[in-house]
Amino acid sequence: GAVVSQHPSWVICKSGTSVKIECRSLDFQATTMFWYRQFPKQSLMLMATSNEGSKATYEQGVEKDKFLINHASLTLSTLTVTSAHPEDSSFYICSALRQGAGYTFGSGTRLTVV
Amino acid sequence: AQSVTQPDIHITVSEGASLELRCNYSYGATPYLFWYVQSPGQGLQLLLKYFSGDTLVQGIKGFEAEFKRSQSSFNLRKPSVHWSDAAEYFCGVEMNTGFQKLVFGTGTRLLVSP
Repeated sequence: GAVVSQHPSWVICKSGTSVKIECRSLDFQATTMFWYRQFPKQSLMLMATSNEGSKATYEQGVEKDKFLINHASLTLSTLTVTSAHPEDSSFYICSALRQGAGYTFGSGTRLTVV
Repeated sequence: AQSVTQPDIHITVSEGASLELRCNYSYGATPYLFWYVQSPGQGLQLLLKYFSGDTLVQGIKGFEAEFKRSQSSFNLRKPSVHWSDAAEYFCGVEMNTGFQKLVFGTGTRLLVSP
């Protein structure tokens, strides 16, 4: 079946540094990937839609310059949290759309900014 | 406005009892509908989905859901809950605002009592 690998599963970084999270579709090509953010005990908030070879489409209220998304190939999308601050600490989950089969999710990345 | 509502934040069910988790949506067209389950600190696992056809869909782990167009609902059911079903459940609606995206409700946390 469709598998999405997300890496790292957890990361701790210092305030002011940048962190990159990778999302890979292992056994299918994904022209569209999605990035979600989840606060503790809350729902998944869609941050942006990542389309291969084009700019990401961000949801209202999401800072484009803070959360950089790159979808350079049909199997890889990256989310870079730039100049991270403690309020960026959260659980980030990616998803890949497989046409006709729906959405497959990665296992998530726990980001802690200290 | 397009939205997904899960009215129940928490539900407690006795092991062996039946379960129904509610989901309502607001969307201008007939949506594609999903239910996912999330264990603590994990990604999302697809339980079932509705695209078209029979409005009663069967999923994994003994779950089923019924699409009711007149009520804009897609409630998840299970006849007999097991302790391992304790988790967070998310209803998802695929919307097309120029491109496909999956939007979630706020989630329902299921607690299973002995």
